[in-house]
Amino acid sequence: DIQMTQSPSTLSASVGDRVTITCRASQGLSSSLAWYQQKPGKAPNLLIYKASTLESGVPSRFSGSGSGTEFTLTISRLQPDDFATYYCKQYNSNSALTFGGGTKVEIK
Amino acid sequence: EVLLVESGGGLVQPWGSLRLSCAASGFTFSSHWMSWVRQAPGKGLEWVANINQGGSEKYYVDSVKGRFTISRDNAKNSLYLQLNNLRAEDTAMYYCARDHVVPGVIWDYWGQGTLVTVSS
Repeated sequence: DIQMTQSPSTLSASVGDRVTITCRASQGLSSSLAWYQQKPGKAPNLLIYKASTLESGVPSRFSGSGSGTEFTLTISRLQPDDFATYYCKQYNSNSALTFGGGTKVEIK
Repeated sequence: EVLLVESGGGLVQPWGSLRLSCAASGFTFSSHWMSWVRQAPGKGLEWVANINQGGSEKYYVDSVKGRFTISRDNAKNSLYLQLNNLRAEDTAMYYCARDHVVPGVIWDYWGQGTLVTVSS
């Protein structure tokens, strides 16, 4: 199975900061990578798919990039509503889907 | 409005069984792959199983193969997960999720989850 390594596991930032989260895959994914945001006690919410396509309704301060084995999620100017945990997920195969370990974005 | 509502969770003893259900509304259920994803308390997300539109293709994470069975009833707009031979490590919130219309297993709608606790 493809292993996903996400870093950092925790990130402390302030409102207005630019934030970058990295996800590395153990083998090439082409662009089959999605990013989800999860707030405490809630289901995850899709932000980005196909590595860089913004899901409808997601603010444009979120962006994704990368291909192959290295991917990034960037929040251009952190807002109070963005403090949450973020997960990458590879979907290179329908039969073996794996998430990164998550990045918790905390208030500095 | 797309809505996914899970039910069937609860406290069960090790080696016990449960059947989770996910009632779907607000979209053409029979047109979408569906998945179950779980999250152990304080831990990350783990894909559990998925099923194609007609129910002929089913896939599972290795840790549940032979113990869990995913199924669907398109006439009832419902997704199911049968959990057998439960272990303590199966304790988690179980979410059902709908596949996006674009190609690839991308989940655009999720239910609120149903909690399964395996303990004696």
